[in-house]
Amino acid sequence: NAGVMQNPRHLVRRRGQEARLRCSPMKGHSHVYWYRQLPEEGLKFMVYLQKENIIDESGMPKERFSAEFPKEGPSILRIQQVVRGDSAAYFCASSDNSQETQYFGPGTRLLVL
Amino acid sequence: AQSVTQPDIHITVSEGASLELRCNYSYGATPYLFWYVQSPGQGLQLLLKYFSGDTLVQGIKGFEAEFKRSQSSFNLRKPSVHWSDAAEYFCAVGYTNAGKSTFGDGTTLTVKP
Repeated sequence: NAGVMQNPRHLVRRRGQEARLRCSPMKGHSHVYWYRQLPEEGLKFMVYLQKENIIDESGMPKERFSAEFPKEGPSILRIQQVVRGDSAAYFCASSDNSQETQYFGPGTRLLVL
Repeated sequence: AQSVTQPDIHITVSEGASLELRCNYSYGATPYLFWYVQSPGQGLQLLLKYFSGDTLVQGIKGFEAEFKRSQSSFNLRKPSVHWSDAAEYFCAVGYTNAGKSTFGDGTTLTVKP
């Protein structure tokens, strides 16, 4: 059973470009969570999605950030017009319907030049 | 709002020595509690979790943790540390069926030969 997959593992963007981060949950998992880890800090919750629905986006910045989890395909975290402060590791986690345990992917490390 | 505090930013122990990493949480209901380990440039691996029942839980790699409700603590322990245990350790608390987890800022463990 493959774990949570994220791609790309590393992403370099110039200021003003768009970044798209992808997350494929574990097989059988329909709950996806995105977290951001700034350098030297812990993980901060961003958004929680189920298929085709955003359940909790209380941790998402109000502008430039969006997330989706379509019926088919991976979950996407989209950052428009990136700024240097967006440089961080972005982790995706998934869980089954019990939501008891979240399993994390390897992360995408975004560097904004 | 729930919060997690890991009082120790950095701990150094000698190989073979015992280890205890502290975690305190603030949460109004019975929490789900987790410890994760993160090696440099990697994702998070679940070490152990507590939902209910026996307050002493065993995890992978020889780790254990004890839930103490009276102290709002969930400290991680290992009797004899190995050099490969050097990593960053995160404590997290989750809701029942409510998605997101809240993470502490992490404790970096260095193991001396």
